[in-house]
Amino acid sequence: GIQVEQSPPDLILQEGANSTLRCNFSDSVNNLQWFHQNPWGQLINLFYIPSGTKQNGRLSATTVATERYSLLYISSSQTTDSGVYFCAVDNFNAGGTSYGKLTFGQGTILTVHP
Amino acid sequence: DTGVSQNPRHKITKRGQNVTFRCDPISEHNRLYWYRQTLGQGPEFLTYFQNEAQLEKSRLLSDRFSAERPKGSFSTLEIQRTEQGDSAMYLCASSSDRQQFFGPGTRLTVL
Repeated sequence: GIQVEQSPPDLILQEGANSTLRCNFSDSVNNLQWFHQNPWGQLINLFYIPSGTKQNGRLSATTVATERYSLLYISSSQTTDSGVYFCAVDNFNAGGTSYGKLTFGQGTILTVHP
Repeated sequence: DTGVSQNPRHKITKRGQNVTFRCDPISEHNRLYWYRQTLGQGPEFLTYFQNEAQLEKSRLLSDRFSAERPKGSFSTLEIQRTEQGDSAMYLCASSSDRQQFFGPGTRLTVL
């Protein structure tokens, strides 16, 4: 199956710093999503971004599907940004049918200190 | 929009007992997914429903696991004869297209 690798595995920042999280995937995808898992375990959908660039406040994401990677940018980080960030991709079905089951990476653990 | 809800939020059971979890998706979503997450790992896909039809099951879903979505609305996940290795967070997600929205999860502890 498709492999998803995220880097770095851990990231420690001071409040106000910027950061870039990377997601590499091993095969073609037609669905890529970024999630934030807060300390209570809730997964929040940040972006649906199979290609191109999107921005939402201090967060932005870029996916270069032809080169099989995606980047999540966090600017002016806040303590509430702490948690685990997951990249997840659709296990693309070559027959054209995608059920949308997501394959997740191992995550990047982000800690933002005040 | 009330979001995806899951019940119970926590379940502690003894090995060998049966447990059942419930997921209520966002009301207009026809797709529903179950995932399992163990400590330090990303969620792993278990099964998928489109309306009431179960269209895909992971090999992770042994014959002790069964899932239903009888009227295409809420879903249940049952684990029979629980084992300690079943201890995990069980997550439900729903979608109307590709973007998936997750519930808060049910944390299962098998003693």
